[in-house]
Amino acid sequence: GAGVSQSPRYKVAKRGQDVALRCDPISGHVSLFWYQQALGQGPEFLTYFQNEAQLDKSGLPSDRFFAERPEGSVSTLKIQRTQQEDSAVYLCASSLGGGSTGELFFGEGSRLTVL
Amino acid sequence: AQSVTQPDIHITVSEGASLELRCNYSYGATPYLFWYVQSPGQGLQLLLKYFSGDTLVQGIKGFEAEFKRSQSSFNLRKPSVHWSDAAEYFCAVGAIIFGKGTRLHILP
Repeated sequence: GAGVSQSPRYKVAKRGQDVALRCDPISGHVSLFWYQQALGQGPEFLTYFQNEAQLDKSGLPSDRFFAERPEGSVSTLKIQRTQQEDSAVYLCASSLGGGSTGELFFGEGSRLTVL
Repeated sequence: AQSVTQPDIHITVSEGASLELRCNYSYGATPYLFWYVQSPGQGLQLLLKYFSGDTLVQGIKGFEAEFKRSQSSFNLRKPSVHWSDAAEYFCAVGAIIFGKGTRLHILP
């Protein structure tokens, strides 16, 4: 597609529910990043994929968070047993080359509200 | 520890006035530096980037930034702001470390 697409744009979950957030990167982009952005804060790095390989998951806040990119294109961020502190906007970004030094193209984000 | 600091949480300037947003970084090697802009409900858009070479870089929308290694700074500037520049601005080192952002307000 023309840009990075994220779905759903808005998600309301009850505490304890599992959620899945999808990211469609720009076609051909090698790198894919996930971030968590709390209200009034900057993006906090969660995880990084180069093609289908998850090269860095140091930012995932707990083992309830899991991300995958099985075919090196679409990625899914899954949050199990959601907690109120998981409420945030989850941003996905892709980059043409490998590594973490290239220009990022961001999606509009998925806003998660946990009640 | 690697970090990015944006000292100003909010800045208000009058339309037509000049603008400077501050960014300081802590990084062990030569940094790859970026400025992004985020409008409400939108993702981040790249304004400009510095990798090497000329320390004054030009970006989109009339923005520029100057890399000063001695001050560990990468401040964003614009000679004359427009009402449409009201947004949140983020400085970043690479793709991993972002500042907390500066929200820019424009007075008519």
